This record gives sequence, structure tokens and C-alpha cells, in this order.
Amino acid sequence: DAGVIQSPRHEVTEMGQEVTLRCKPISGHDYLFWYRQTMMRGLELLIYFNNNVPIDDSGMPEDRFSAKMPNASFSTLKIQPSEPRDSAVYFCASSLVAGAKNIQYFGAGTRLSVL
Amino acid sequence: DAKTTQPNSMESNEEEPVHLPCNHSTISGTDYIHWYRQLPSQGPEYVIHGLTSNVNNRMASLAIAEDRKSSTLILHRATLRDAAVYYCILRGGLWTNAGKSTFGDGTTLTVKP
Repeated sequence: DAGVIQSPRHEVTEMGQEVTLRCKPISGHDYLFWYRQTMMRGLELLIYFNNNVPIDDSGMPEDRFSAKMPNASFSTLKIQPSEPRDSAVYFCASSLVAGAKNIQYFGAGTRLSVL
Repeated sequence: DAKTTQPNSMESNEEEPVHLPCNHSTISGTDYIHWYRQLPSQGPEYVIHGLTSNVNNRMASLAIAEDRKSSTLILHRATLRDAAVYYCILRGGLWTNAGKSTFGDGTTLTVKP
């Protein structure tokens, strides 16, 4: 398996523009997670899905952020409108099962720069 | 949520063993101890996990204290490729608060040739 695939790897946009980040989880994994990593806040969970259904979005910073998972092999994280403080590395991860023993597999991330 | 405490940084010489400590004094009986590492410009990577007994895999060993309030990740022979940020996190038995286990700041391991 190719692992978790994220695109694009780098995104540079101007403040106010819409940004869409994409993720393809590992085939057969039922859980998908979106994380954001910054120097100030470290790695923080934004939202996670189970069987394409959003389960917990309490980490989504504000209404400008939205995430969807239209099918088991694709998810998007959208920021509209984007702001400079959204600049970060965004990671997608997937896991096979829930619970304490689950292992998350991370993608390589999307580095977002909002000018 | 139970939290973990790790040193900010550690150094090691190449081909020597490395012991990375983690304190988790508020761990609950159902929490598993997980270790991930993040190499530069990459996503976090699973290393190992355990509950009570020591665990070994091809990457590392995990030594868990008898009272489970601390654990140590052991890299038996550090290589330059092991230079990374190592995260110790706790995961509970139920995934109702999935991913609420934050990664914290981790320990930045520097390996010197």
C-alpha cells in the first residue's frame, strides 16, 4: 500500500482565498484524522471521521474550517477564507480500528503558507 | 486527559543505546502507552506501544515501570537516521475522545556521528 497520500505538498495562497487540502487514507482503514502542526501549538487534532462520518470536530478552530469525507478513499479540509494565522503543516492520518491499541498512519503533510 | 512529561531534548552518539524517558503519573488502568517519532519534514511515524509488559519490535524496545507511571523508549543502537522528535502519548480504551491524546512537545533527539 502507498500509505496515506496528501496533496498538495505545499500550498501558498493569499489571505482571503479558499484553500482545499486533500487526503487519501490507507485502503480499508475506517478512521481518518486531520491534524495541524505549528511551532506554537504543536500537533493538534482538528477532526476525525469514522466510516466517513465526522465524529468529533471540537478541534476545528472556527467556522472558516470545514472537512468532508464523501467516500472511504477521500477527504478534504477546506479553509475559507484563509488567514495568515492558518499557516501551518496539516497532516492527515488513518487507522484501522479504534481504541487504545490503534496505530495511526500519517501522510507527509501539506505545508500551507497564507500571505 | 492523562498527560505525559518528556525532556525537551537529548543527545546521543551514533551506535550507542538511547533511553528516552516519559512520565505519566496520572495514567489510568486502561491507557496504552504509545510512542511516535517525527523525522524532519515528515509526518509522525508509529514506533511502539504497550500496556504493562515490556515490548520489543524491530525499531525499538519499550520498558514500562511496574507502577506504569513512567516508561522508557530504548533505541539499542542509535543511527543518524534516528534523529527526530519522539512523542510519548497515552491512549484510552474507548475511542470516544479519539485523538484527544495530544502529542505534546516531545523529545528532540540529536545523534552525533
